[in-house]
Amino acid sequence: DQQVKQNSPSLSVQEGRISILNCDYTNSMFDYFLWYKKYPAEGPTFLISISSIKDKNEDGRFTVFLNKSAKHLSLHIVPSQPGDSAVYFCAARVNNQGGKLIFGQGTELSVKP
Amino acid sequence: DSGVTQTPKHLITATGQRVTLRCSPRSGDLSVYWYQQSLDQGLQFLIQYYNGEERAKGNILERFSAQQFPDLHSELNLSSLELGDSALYFCASSVAGASTGELFFGEGSRLTVL
Repeated sequence: DQQVKQNSPSLSVQEGRISILNCDYTNSMFDYFLWYKKYPAEGPTFLISISSIKDKNEDGRFTVFLNKSAKHLSLHIVPSQPGDSAVYFCAARVNNQGGKLIFGQGTELSVKP
Repeated sequence: DSGVTQTPKHLITATGQRVTLRCSPRSGDLSVYWYQQSLDQGLQFLIQYYNGEERAKGNILERFSAQQFPDLHSELNLSSLELGDSALYFCASSVAGASTGELFFGEGSRLTVL
């Protein structure tokens, strides 16, 4: 079963506008949610995370929102830049299970100049 | 540079063969995780080791095995390879009890089975 889902395989946004990437989850035992960014031929790179007890975390142009009642989180990138073009993975950590992360399928973001 | 080193970066082999992928975690990290990313798929968790001991297991095939050595490097062994095993294999490491859940990933080993 897919516990973490990213239903949009791709997203195209104009430079300077907002990019919103979405993620849904089914497991209530997740204690942290993370976003990773991946360029071709590189490993995933950590971007931002949020604890399950928070509803928002901000780091520069990146903000993650968590809606626990809807089991939904989103990553907002404002303003979007061409260098943000990459695949973004949503991930979740199961509480007390050694730290492994469960990943979504990824969303490929393309920011057009 | 995440500090996690994986070798080899690319590997081409034939069906039925056996390969070993190697991972050196970041200095000081005790946990090592292995993930598989097949074409257009997310990262699938395979197995985790903590300080030499198996800690968690995902959907790892019986043909696959792993271990973590006293110097904390880890190896993933894939045997009786099939075409469907072609994928990117990532290793990640973390400090014990990382408060934010962050794992640090290597650049991956791309395996092609012909």
